[in-house]
Amino acid sequence: QQQVKQSPQSLIVQKGGISIINCAYENTAFDYFPWYQQFPGKGPALLIAIRPDVSEKKEGRFTISFNKSAKQFSLHIMDSQPGDSATYFCAVNAGNNRKLIWGLGTSLAVNP
Amino acid sequence: GAGVSQSPRYKVAKRGQDVALRCDPISGHVSLFWYQQALGQGPEFLTYFQNEAQLDKSGLPSDRFFAERPEGSVSTLKIQRTQQEDSAVYLCASSPSSGSHEQFFGPGTRLTVL
Repeated sequence: QQQVKQSPQSLIVQKGGISIINCAYENTAFDYFPWYQQFPGKGPALLIAIRPDVSEKKEGRFTISFNKSAKQFSLHIMDSQPGDSATYFCAVNAGNNRKLIWGLGTSLAVNP
Repeated sequence: GAGVSQSPRYKVAKRGQDVALRCDPISGHVSLFWYQQALGQGPEFLTYFQNEAQLDKSGLPSDRFFAERPEGSVSTLKIQRTQQEDSAVYLCASSPSSGSHEQFFGPGTRLTVL
């Protein structure tokens, strides 16, 4: 059973538009919610992360919105650029167990 | 400073061969993780080390998979008698301390089993 459900599977956005990727999780014990960006042939790189005690975190053009009661969190990329074209993964982590449980990924293409 | 490095970057093995994949974590990082990423999928946890101690190996898919980190720095993931289903990218990540959530990933080793 997939513990983290990510959508959409793929996304095409025009340059300057907003990209929105969503994740839903099952286990309320999860306490760390990162988003990773992965380019072809590279390892994932941490983009932004949030803890459940806040509802939103913004870093530059990237924002995480967190809805604890709905057990959902989302990534918003403002003013999307062609260089943002990559695969994005949400993940969750629970307490002392530091392993990350990952979504299936979203392939984002930003058209120039 | 240098990030996480992995070698080889690509490995082709014939079914039944043994392979060894190496991970050099960021210097001083206490925690080390191995993940398996199948094509078009998210990474899946394999095993976790804190220094030289393997604290979690619940994700290793079979007893053909073995990981070690004898001196608490470099780690090796060994796969014995490789099967076609082992074909994937194997990612290594390190973290500064056991209390840190952030994981820094290497570029991965792409294993293809023919």
